[in-house]
Amino acid sequence: SAVISQKPSRDICQRGTSLTIQCQVDSQVTMMFWYRQQPGQSLTLIATANQGSEATYESGFVIDKFPISRPNLTFSTLTVSNMSPEDSSIYLCSVGRTGTGQETQYFGPGTRLLVL
Amino acid sequence: AQSVAQPEDQVNVAEGNPLTVKCTYSVSGNPYLFWYVQYPNRGLQFLLKYITGDNLVKGSYGFEAEFNKSQTSFHLKKPSALVSDSALYFCAVSRPSGNTGKLIFGQGTTLQVKP
Repeated sequence: SAVISQKPSRDICQRGTSLTIQCQVDSQVTMMFWYRQQPGQSLTLIATANQGSEATYESGFVIDKFPISRPNLTFSTLTVSNMSPEDSSIYLCSVGRTGTGQETQYFGPGTRLLVL
Repeated sequence: AQSVAQPEDQVNVAEGNPLTVKCTYSVSGNPYLFWYVQYPNRGLQFLLKYITGDNLVKGSYGFEAEFNKSQTSFHLKKPSALVSDSALYFCAVSRPSGNTGKLIFGQGTTLQVKP
């Protein structure tokens, strides 16, 4: 497994502003992902954070709204841009490795975002 | 398209009784199947997975799950429930082909264990 931390753990933001969420892993990982969990809902994949290249976004998510960086194999950021109350969610990063026996994704503690 | 269904929003059991949380999936090929648990105000914790081999897999905290290919199910079970097992449980699936690692989650089942 891996130890994953996220900052901030929670925040309250005004609409129209942006928030950058950080995800730090204690060891190098092949894959990093960002998920959104809306209130009372399941998890939805936003994008795969690719080291050294642009993130791969899922249908319904765009780079202008959720820019992602991944400068190395242990760190990634997700920015929620021009926020609206509909962006109020828990944002979770997860990490994984490739190879046999490495199929499990491990999740960070999440960032609880409330947009007023 | 891949999908995961957890037909019960909530499962209620008495402490000491066996519990089952149901999951069915729809995916082409041979899936990787996972169970995660989410405690209040916490992230997701990995419980167990099925990749290949024995259909019965054992995981953390005494949980186990049985992979049934013909019924496309992966139900989570525990012989004797604890009050501390009360949490939100998610079933998830990924496809090994393409090796993208993307997880598709079910909608979640709240487990309530009463003393």
